Amino acid sequence: DQQVKQNSPSLSVQEGRISILNCDYTNSMFDYFLWYKKYPAEGPTFLISISSIKDKNEDGRFTVFLNKSAKHLSLHIVPSQPGDSAVYFCAAENSNTGNQFYFGTGTSLTVIP
Amino acid sequence: DTGVSQDPRHKITKRGQNVTFRCDPISEHNRLYWYRQTLGQGPEFLTYFQNEAQLEKSRLLSDRFSAERPKGSFSTLEIQRTEQGDSAMYLCASSAGTGGVYTRSGNTIYFGEGSWLTVV
Repeated sequence: DQQVKQNSPSLSVQEGRISILNCDYTNSMFDYFLWYKKYPAEGPTFLISISSIKDKNEDGRFTVFLNKSAKHLSLHIVPSQPGDSAVYFCAAENSNTGNQFYFGTGTSLTVIP
Repeated sequence: DTGVSQDPRHKITKRGQNVTFRCDPISEHNRLYWYRQTLGQGPEFLTYFQNEAQLEKSRLLSDRFSAERPKGSFSTLEIQRTEQGDSAMYLCASSAGTGGVYTRSGNTIYFGEGSWLTVV
């Protein structure tokens, strides 16, 4: 049972425009969410996190939005750069147990110069 | 470099052989995780240590898999009698374990570069 879902396998965006990557989850006990970026043959690199006590967290060009009622989060990248081209994974945990993160299947972002 | 390090980065082995991967977490992190990732999938949880105690194992971790963290520092993941279906990237991650209801924050985990296993 996939508790974290990324329904868009791929996304293409022009350089300078906004990239929006989406993620849905089913477990209402999840209260901490992370986004990772992954290049081929490398491990995932942590990008940004958000706790369920917030609905927005911003770090430079990256902003994550959380809609708890819809069990939905999104990552906005603005402006998008060619170096952002990678696979992006969202992950969720129940921080009270802190023993396991559940990952989506990823969205491959291509930023076109 | 004080990140999570994994060794070896790549391993090609014949079916039926045993392989072992090593992970050195970020030094002050007390939690260590093993994940597995195959093509087109997100990382899948295998097991988790709090210091030297293995607190949770996924049902993906068959009896051919064993993980240890003997002194609460580095960890090893051994796969016995490898099968072609074991071919994957094995990811180690660590966290400071400061998340929870009292801190109202989560446990950000940091991954290593991964160890690629190819079983032929």
